[in-house]
Amino acid sequence: GQNIDQPTEMTATEGAIVQINCTYQTSGFNGLFWYQQHAGEAPTFLSYNVLDGLEEKGRFSSFLSRSKGYSYLLLKELQMKDSASYLCAVRDSNYQLIWGAGTKLIIKP
Amino acid sequence: EAGVAQSPRYKIIEKRQSVAFWCNPISGHATLYWYQQILGQGPKLLIQFQNNGVVDDSQLPKDRFSAERLKGVDSTLKIQPAKLEDSAVYLCASSSLEWDSYNEQFFGPGTRLTVL
Repeated sequence: GQNIDQPTEMTATEGAIVQINCTYQTSGFNGLFWYQQHAGEAPTFLSYNVLDGLEEKGRFSSFLSRSKGYSYLLLKELQMKDSASYLCAVRDSNYQLIWGAGTKLIIKP
Repeated sequence: EAGVAQSPRYKIIEKRQSVAFWCNPISGHATLYWYQQILGQGPKLLIQFQNNGVVDDSQLPKDRFSAERLKGVDSTLKIQPAKLEDSAVYLCASSSLEWDSYNEQFFGPGTRLTVL
């Protein structure tokens, strides 16, 4: 079967750095997405990786290793507004998105 | 650019009643998705349309759920009759089919359904 694993919840301190991991087992691979979802709101697109390596976008970076079936989202200089759930999703060989359950990130002052 | 529109935002019904949700995707987006998201879980794809054709409805409970996208633009999702376990947020998303794009999905604000 297809599976995406992420930690359920993480806690970090304002101004610090946090890394959210995602491991996947899917039927084929056509890219990995990270989405941010604030409580009671819709998911919004953060990043996309299809080749191995690091993609940097401001305070957020995303890394992919296809051989290991592994990605992480790195958030730097954490702000209170970064408190949200972070969803990892993989596009499989049928171009369908397989979603993880999300990681709830709690930022403390 | 206008985003994905959904209505209503909230709906409370009793079990065995019927309910319908409406979605208008971003202009020009060929692909439209309906997701069910239960609290604390990731989105679960119910149905995917490309233009007005169904691409994937393998996880749609067809005995009670139906969806249509008659003119290849807006879409409706219906539940009849509703069960308690249908309480969730129903998200609509759309994406383009451009080969040089990520084709990421853009989500609407969702409809929060409570079945009593």
